[in-house]
Amino acid sequence: NAGVTQTPKFRVLKTGQSMTLLCAQDMNHEYMYWYRQDPGMGLRLIHYSVGEGTTAKGEVPDGYNVSRLKKQNFLLGLESAAPSQTSVYFCASHSGALHEQYFGPGTRLTVT
Amino acid sequence: AQKITQTQPGMFVQEKEAVTLDCTYDTSDQSYGLFWYKQPSSGEMIFLIYQGSYDEQNATEGRYSLNFQKARKSANLVISASQLGDSAMYFCAMREGDRLSFGNEKLTFGTGTRLTIIP
Repeated sequence: NAGVTQTPKFRVLKTGQSMTLLCAQDMNHEYMYWYRQDPGMGLRLIHYSVGEGTTAKGEVPDGYNVSRLKKQNFLLGLESAAPSQTSVYFCASHSGALHEQYFGPGTRLTVT
Repeated sequence: AQKITQTQPGMFVQEKEAVTLDCTYDTSDQSYGLFWYKQPSSGEMIFLIYQGSYDEQNATEGRYSLNFQKARKSANLVISASQLGDSAMYFCAMREGDRLSFGNEKLTFGTGTRLTIIP
């Protein structure tokens, strides 16, 4: 099993450009999450999904949109990137039956 | 107010010694959960241990144990017999109840403690 994968691993964007980060999990998990990690801070929740077709805002949702059209995929979009969105982005999933969240390897995004 | 507070930005510990990483939390929920994650320099997040608010016994997983003191709202991680491979960032996190979606586990993280094991 691949677990949780994230695409791409690295990306550099110019201010104003758009992009989509893809998170995929092969564990049939219901719950999926997008976090961002900035230097000196813990992870902060951006958006999450409690099932296919559902999304909800987390702690820091501004500037991001998400979609969960398929149960195994959770997409994070930046419509107009800003330097403040330079961060490492982590996707996570869990089944709801056990408490462990499975994290992807992260995407390092730089916005210049 | 911070929901999760980790007051030790960095710690240095001699190999084979035990180490305690501090974590205090703030919540008004009766049902919540506490987690510890390890983040080595390679960047991935590794789940270590979980403690539910209703669990009567402290959680243990191999060399990791969670010293849960509910009245003091603390959930310290204890690593016994530290090893060089334990050098990493350690994050405490809390899950609060979601009344709209049972099973949903949004996590709030602390700022982390960087642990360095000295040979």
